[in-house]
Amino acid sequence: SQKIEQNSEALNIQEGKTATLTCNYTNYSPAYLQWYRQDPGRGPVFLLLIRENEKEKRKERLKVTFDTTLKQSLFHITASQPADSATYLCALDLQAGTALIFGKGTTLSVSS
Amino acid sequence: DVKVTQSSRYLVKRTGEKVFLECVQDMDHENMFWYRQDPGLGLRLIYFSYDVKMKEKGDIPEGYSVSREKKERFSLILESASTNQTSMYLCASSFKRGQETQYFGPGTRLLVL
Repeated sequence: SQKIEQNSEALNIQEGKTATLTCNYTNYSPAYLQWYRQDPGRGPVFLLLIRENEKEKRKERLKVTFDTTLKQSLFHITASQPADSATYLCALDLQAGTALIFGKGTTLSVSS
Repeated sequence: DVKVTQSSRYLVKRTGEKVFLECVQDMDHENMFWYRQDPGLGLRLIYFSYDVKMKEKGDIPEGYSVSREKKERFSLILESASTNQTSMYLCASSFKRGQETQYFGPGTRLLVL
């Protein structure tokens, strides 16, 4: 069956550390993978997109990797801050004229 | 900046009422989507539309219908609201097929009593 999983519902880390969130999928072949941030009571906000032929993408303190062999994407936030506390969603983009397929999200809490 | 607006942030309705949720985007996006989000279940796609007057069922269309008479507006209709439709409803839009980055509205928290 087709699945997309974000490995943990919650992740707690200390300020200044690197947060690493995982997104795994089975029986899909996404052309792109996207990451979104969602704050409580608000809609998700797009952060980054990585293509299947890209291994890594960076944006300021954010880094995303995409391994199509492992069927996995890692999302890193370096030098994390309490303001990074939010839920992070990964989404598969199949580029097949279908809608994005979202994971359930990982809630990150960064303590000072 | 893309702006997606939803008609209400909070809504309280009674069982059996017909409920309209409105979504408007201001960036001439072709694609529009309706999701509901519940704790532990994540985002679930209800309906989406790739063009005016077109609609496609998502994963959980039962009990809902949609209308897209104009490109910028996508309405979600609960024909006869039930308590299990209490949820956060999120609207999103994206530029066109093949450019699927989605821009979300602020959400409508619906309570059905």
